[in-house]
Amino acid sequence: DQQVKQNSPSLSVQEGRISILNCDYTNSMFDYFLWYKKYPAEGPTFLISISSIKDKNEDGRFTVFLNKSAKHLSLHIVPSQPGDSAVYFCAASADGSSNTGKLIFGQGTTLQVKP
Amino acid sequence: EAQVTQNPRYLITVTGKKLTVTCSQNMNHEYMSWYRQDPGLGLRQIYYSMNVEVTDKGDVPEGYKVSRKEKRNFPLILESPSPNQTSLYFCASSRGGLGQPQHFGDGTRLSIL
Repeated sequence: DQQVKQNSPSLSVQEGRISILNCDYTNSMFDYFLWYKKYPAEGPTFLISISSIKDKNEDGRFTVFLNKSAKHLSLHIVPSQPGDSAVYFCAASADGSSNTGKLIFGQGTTLQVKP
Repeated sequence: EAQVTQNPRYLITVTGKKLTVTCSQNMNHEYMSWYRQDPGLGLRQIYYSMNVEVTDKGDVPEGYKVSRKEKRNFPLILESPSPNQTSLYFCASSRGGLGQPQHFGDGTRLSIL
């Protein structure tokens, strides 16, 4: 049972345009969401996060939107750059409500930004 | 330099031969965790530790053991490895709760024949 789903395995966009990566979740107890980026042969690196008390968080070119009623979050990258080409994972936790320490990841979306 | 170090980076071994993957962090982080990455399944949490001597199961703990005797180290033990444990493994650490970003090691690729 996949509690966090990234239904698009891959996404290709042109340099300078917007990249939108989507993530859906099923567990209404999740209260913290994170995005990680992963290059080949490296470990994932933290990108941006959002608490369930917010619906938007912005950091430079990266913005995460949370729609709790739809149990959906998205990562927007504007403008996209070739260096953004990587695998993106969304992750969710119920840390605030249960402090269990469990973190659930989606399957990942491979983003390719073409020059 | 702040880092999470995993060893070995690559290992090919045979079924049933006990192995340990070490993980060490130099950031004095309380929280540490192990994940495996498999095609189409993303990252799945194996075990995590909220602090020294405190460990708990993640989503896929079967066939694995961990220990947290010191704050900096969190080894992953496969007592009797099987081919379905062939995977890419990542160790991660963070300060405090899961709202804090996790720092990941570069991964250990295990092949169990």
